[in-house]
Amino acid sequence: LAKTTQPISMDSYEGQEVNITCSHNNIATNDYITWYQQFPSQGPRFIIQGYKTKVTNEVASLFIPADRKSSTLSLPRVSLSDTAVYYCLVGKRQPGNTGKLIFGQGTTLQVKP
Amino acid sequence: GAGVSQSPSNKVTEKGKDVELRCDPISGHTALYWYRQSLGQGLEFLIYFQGNSAPDKSGLPSDRFSAERTGGSVSTLTIQRTQQEDSAVYLCASSHDTLMERNTIYFGEGSWLTVV
Repeated sequence: LAKTTQPISMDSYEGQEVNITCSHNNIATNDYITWYQQFPSQGPRFIIQGYKTKVTNEVASLFIPADRKSSTLSLPRVSLSDTAVYYCLVGKRQPGNTGKLIFGQGTTLQVKP
Repeated sequence: GAGVSQSPSNKVTEKGKDVELRCDPISGHTALYWYRQSLGQGLEFLIYFQGNSAPDKSGLPSDRFSAERTGGSVSTLTIQRTQQEDSAVYLCASSHDTLMERNTIYFGEGSWLTVV
């Protein structure tokens, strides 16, 4: 499983765009990139997943450069309720995956008024 | 129910006692995971079940920890002779094991264990 590196913490203000970058230098050809969000006292929840280029949904966008050695989660116009820990995971989506998804320490995003 | 259900939601136990934590995955999900999260820490992988395959137990921290999954559905995580360092929230998650959703897992609210 590819190791991921994220900033430990980030601060932002309401209404700003937040970009959280994850490094995964040894990502494999058939690995996908998935981001999860965890609020205090809750289990993590899926935000977005991608393989290459750009993916957008109602919550966030995910930018993946051509070499796929990093990815950036973009949260538009954050609010106080976006204060959470954000985890980047890299893993296979092919048969034979043991399913052992390893979460790193994540990035704690603090949104200030 | 619609989501992953865990019980008990909170458990306070005395050091040395055994505890059992239960997880009901989302109906139809063949993959089931247990994670542990200590206060202020990241998620620690414990064990993974996939269908009828042998579980991946590589994350269990000691032989005091065990888990089983009966009938491919409900899972029980057992901690024997609990220690104070076992205090944490134990999170269960499940997923489809299809090509499109293999990396999308759905978590329960967790079982908060306090060992006193």
